[in-house]
Amino acid sequence: ELKVEQNPLFLSMQEGKNYTIYCNYSTTSDRLYWYRQDPGKSLESLFVLLSNGAVKQEGRLMASLDTKARLSTLHITAAVHDLSATYFCAALWSAGGTSYGKLTFGQGTILTVHP
Amino acid sequence: DTGVSQDPRHKITKRGQNVTFRCDPISEHNRLYWYRQTLGQGPEFLTYFQNEAQLEKSRLLSDRFSAERPKGSFSTLEIQRTEQGDSAMYLCASSLLRVADRLTNTGELFFGEGSRLTVL
Repeated sequence: ELKVEQNPLFLSMQEGKNYTIYCNYSTTSDRLYWYRQDPGKSLESLFVLLSNGAVKQEGRLMASLDTKARLSTLHITAAVHDLSATYFCAALWSAGGTSYGKLTFGQGTILTVHP
Repeated sequence: DTGVSQDPRHKITKRGQNVTFRCDPISEHNRLYWYRQTLGQGPEFLTYFQNEAQLEKSRLLSDRFSAERPKGSFSTLEIQRTEQGDSAMYLCASSLLRVADRLTNTGELFFGEGSRLTVL
């Protein structure tokens, strides 16, 4: 069974600082997803990483995937208050480009950015 | 708007009552998923459909839970004899799997706003 773990679970940052959220997964997966969730809202897709070494950037967020280490990272550059939210990574059990159905989510990282 | 829509958005019920949630996926999407999310946790998989076929059910889905997607379009999730432990946000998501493009499908799920259930 695929397990996904994130750390840290809570992250309090000052505006302007950089930090990284880590996502480890337990079994073969070459597809990794990052979602954002605001309080009381649904999940918004941020990044889809489809292969080893994939790197994607949008604004102050950059995500990467290392399938050999079974690790994805979400790097935050020069944080601003608007980035405060819960961030989830999710993995799809897959191998050789063939996927097997459902996403398994991590516990989430609650990010709070302070002035 | 052509996103995933869920109804009702909020439901308050008494223990022992039955409730039903509806999900309308993005129109061209052939896969539909149900997840449950409790406070402070990530979404937990319940079940998913490809067209009208239910392909997988989680161990979390007890006999009191049933999901259908009769015509491969909208789906319903029914909870019978609700218990306080059923209180959660029920999230529906959809995705598109093109068999011919299996190797390049992103597998990305698009989520609805969720249906929040409170069992008193």
